[in-house]
Amino acid sequence: DTAVSQTPKYLVTQMGNDKSIKCEQNLGHDTMYWYKQDSKKFLKIMFSYNNKELIINETVPNRFSPKSPDKAHLNLHINSLELGDSAVYFCASSQAAGWGETQYFGPGTRLLVL
Amino acid sequence: GDSVTQMEGPVTLSEEAFLTINCTYTATGYPSLFWYVQYPGEGLQLLLKATKADDKGSNKGFEATYRKETTSFHLEKGSVQVSDSAVYFCALNDQAGTALIFGKGTTLSVSS
Repeated sequence: DTAVSQTPKYLVTQMGNDKSIKCEQNLGHDTMYWYKQDSKKFLKIMFSYNNKELIINETVPNRFSPKSPDKAHLNLHINSLELGDSAVYFCASSQAAGWGETQYFGPGTRLLVL
Repeated sequence: GDSVTQMEGPVTLSEEAFLTINCTYTATGYPSLFWYVQYPGEGLQLLLKATKADDKGSNKGFEATYRKETTSFHLEKGSVQVSDSAVYFCALNDQAGTALIFGKGTTLSVSS
């Protein structure tokens, strides 16, 4: 069983389109995250939800909107896609939003904007 | 703000060589420290972690010791294998317990 899963794995789309990435975890964790990995492999936090409440909202364009329908799911919707949005997006989860908690990562969604 | 600095790669080694990847951090208080590994085309996997000074994390032959005095968490392995070829990320989680802050990653390539 996959602990943290993301769909789709690959996403190729045109500039200006709107797209969503879905994430699900079956670990029973309370906290979920979205990270962005750029072309140089640098990873940066975008958002975090704890028990369906937003707790981290980094400096991300408001074209990006996370939604957590329940504790096991955290989706990312992106409006008006731009070339610079091309990256790998990773979902992660942890038992709680606490110091020392291990985060478990999904396989990533490779987004290419043409 | 908090930050993590890793040695620049790529690191290229022959099989059975000794590996060290340096990692230093800047943080207030006592962060917890992690090493994650990313194999080609995959997500990140936790390799090891340490949550207090002088703790040693270990897994699959890899080790790292939390050194508060030098603010370091260097990754070592005595004898690397081809299958260890991957990107290695050092990260910290501050006492606010929010997101992981990552270093820029170090690519390791091991040849037989």
